Amino acid sequence: NAGVTQTPKFQVLKTGQSMTLQCAQDMNHEYMSWYRQDPGMGLRLIHYSVGAGITDQGEVPNGYNVSRSTTEDFPLRLLSAAPSQTSVYFCASRGLAGGQNTQYFGPGTRLTVL
Amino acid sequence: TQLLEQSPQFLSIQEGENLTVYCNSSSVFSSLQWYRQEPGEGPVLLVTVVTGGEVKKLKRLTFQFGDARKDSSLHITAAQPGDTGLYLCAGTYSGAGSYQLTFGKGTKLSVIP
Repeated sequence: NAGVTQTPKFQVLKTGQSMTLQCAQDMNHEYMSWYRQDPGMGLRLIHYSVGAGITDQGEVPNGYNVSRSTTEDFPLRLLSAAPSQTSVYFCASRGLAGGQNTQYFGPGTRLTVL
Repeated sequence: TQLLEQSPQFLSIQEGENLTVYCNSSSVFSSLQWYRQEPGEGPVLLVTVVTGGEVKKLKRLTFQFGDARKDSSLHITAAQPGDTGLYLCAGTYSGAGSYQLTFGKGTKLSVIP
């Protein structure tokens, strides 16, 4: 099991550019989510999904889009990057069946928007 | 949006000392989790508590869930340099989206040899 994988690990963008952060998990988890982590702010939920074809907004969704076409993949899209989106982004997954409460995090993508 | 207060924000102690980190909410948690995060990595789950008054131990780490399920603490006995890291508490609340985690801002712990 690779767990939760994220690519790229580092990315630098110019304001206005677009990009997709990739996330994949091989644990057949229903629930997947994206967080951003900023200094002194903890982790804030951007978007989440409870299964293929189902997505919803978290606490800070503006400027980000997601889709969930398969159970394994949950990409995060920045359509027009802004300096305020400079952050470390974490993807996470967990099972929703009874008794499963462990959320597994990927290694993160460090994004800088100039 | 549920608010989760974590304190202290920073903690620097000498090896061998004891410490306690606190996590508080104005709302009742359905469950509460503690994570540890090392630089350049994602958070890793340490423990989940779900029952009021519950106490769990993980080697030198003791986790306690308040009787009213609105607060939790993490106590480390005889801290070691390997305990250095960011400790995050995260809670779930009952109702819609009960599987969503709300994170505290974290406690950055430095253990000096």
